[in-house]
Amino acid sequence: SQTIHQWPATLVQPVGSPLSLECTVEGTSNPNLYWYRQAAGRGLQLLFYSVGIGQISSEVPQNLSASRPQDRQFILSSKKLLLSDSGFYLCAWNQESGNTIYFGEGSWLTVV
Amino acid sequence: EDKVVQSPLSLVVHEGDTVTLNCSYEVTNFRSLLWYKQEKKAPTFLFMLTSSGIEKKSGRLSSILDKKELFSILNIRATQTGDSAIYLCAVEARGYSTLTFGKGTMLLVSP
Repeated sequence: SQTIHQWPATLVQPVGSPLSLECTVEGTSNPNLYWYRQAAGRGLQLLFYSVGIGQISSEVPQNLSASRPQDRQFILSSKKLLLSDSGFYLCAWNQESGNTIYFGEGSWLTVV
Repeated sequence: EDKVVQSPLSLVVHEGDTVTLNCSYEVTNFRSLLWYKQEKKAPTFLFMLTSSGIEKKSGRLSSILDKKELFSILNIRATQTGDSAIYLCAVEARGYSTLTFGKGTMLLVSP
């Protein structure tokens, strides 16, 4: 069966520090991978998605970036965090066939 | 434990039909209920509902929330094949910024 894991679960970082959130999917190959953010009081906001290794599409201009170094690994990064980057980040995956997306456990980021 | 139940799990209709998708929830400190449409890629945001009885509309889609009975419905009027998708319902709890999703309703609109 397929599983998705992301970490860390919680993170408190000072403004201006770097960020790295990691996500891996197991039990499948060539998944579509997503990073979402949920800021306080808002719904899911799609940040990045990837349909293959090295392919990244950005949905929202920001100081975050994403990379997909391996087929089932998706990384969300920032060189310098802003206060506005605080939020709940969700990694998700699905297959190209359009099956429902599966989310990771989420990473709660607080920038102080 | 927070819970979101969507029904039906799947639905096949003919183009032009009107459909109603259901979402019931149990959540502590409810903040909002969200509907998403998922086609081949990422789910796209449809509605966020926070108040009972206020219908939200977007074209042929509309949704309403009943906070007393703890459910929401999503209506799609005069369906088109482009409406074929999985519709996700999610509930947000106040103070946690977490989302609890239902399993989704897979809608297929046949021509």
